[in-house]
Amino acid sequence: QSALTQPPSASGSPGQSVTISCTGTSSDVGGYNYVSWYQQHPGKAPKLMIYEVNQRPSGVPDRFSGSKSGNTASLTVSGLRAEDEADYYCNSYAGSNNVIFGGGTKLTVL
Amino acid sequence: QLQLQESGPRLVKPSETLSLTCIVSGDSISSSSYYWNWIRQPPGKGLEWIGSIYYSGSTSYNPSLKSRVTISVDTSKNQFSLRLSSVTAADTAVYHCARQVPGGTPKFDYWGQGTLVTVSS
Repeated sequence: QSALTQPPSASGSPGQSVTISCTGTSSDVGGYNYVSWYQQHPGKAPKLMIYEVNQRPSGVPDRFSGSKSGNTASLTVSGLRAEDEADYYCNSYAGSNNVIFGGGTKLTVL
Repeated sequence: QLQLQESGPRLVKPSETLSLTCIVSGDSISSSSYYWNWIRQPPGKGLEWIGSIYYSGSTSYNPSLKSRVTISVDTSKNQFSLRLSSVTAADTAVYHCARQVPGGTPKFDYWGQGTLVTVSS
């Protein structure tokens, strides 16, 4: 199984919105509403930000939202803040109890 | 508060077997319906799912690693373990353990801090 495709980098100024894409196939992203997003600051463990395409865990700001169209899922961060600067990873269920991650996107707040 | 902590050798020689343990505190592995996972991250690279185990011992593995991976659980010690055989430099990575909610969704809600394992002679 190949990794989901994410852009290597994304950026935006404070207050702006930025969207990160995560492209897979009909066997993973497109086949299930089981996409999650994680935020990872340097040297830290990943933190769950979105699950099941568009659900936010308790404590995650509503500035973070998720969506999916076909084989591509997206994470949108609105009202960018300096602390949003981090690496972001998507993952998806890939059938037969398999899980696949994206390659990661480095978000820079300008 | 649930906590996961990885432990094991930080340096492994090529062709040998990497062994790590994840100690779970704050909840009992056998009293809940969660899956317990291993995920790794090579330096400067992305995350890779290695595999998971249910408290009953049922396992799932990444097809690309399946021939070399064994995940086991010890409910009496509230921990689960990873063994990766025939390692090479490509297996150098930070290894995380993580909890996954039941139902198929890849929702990893608790993670260990991770431990860097280097494969080198």
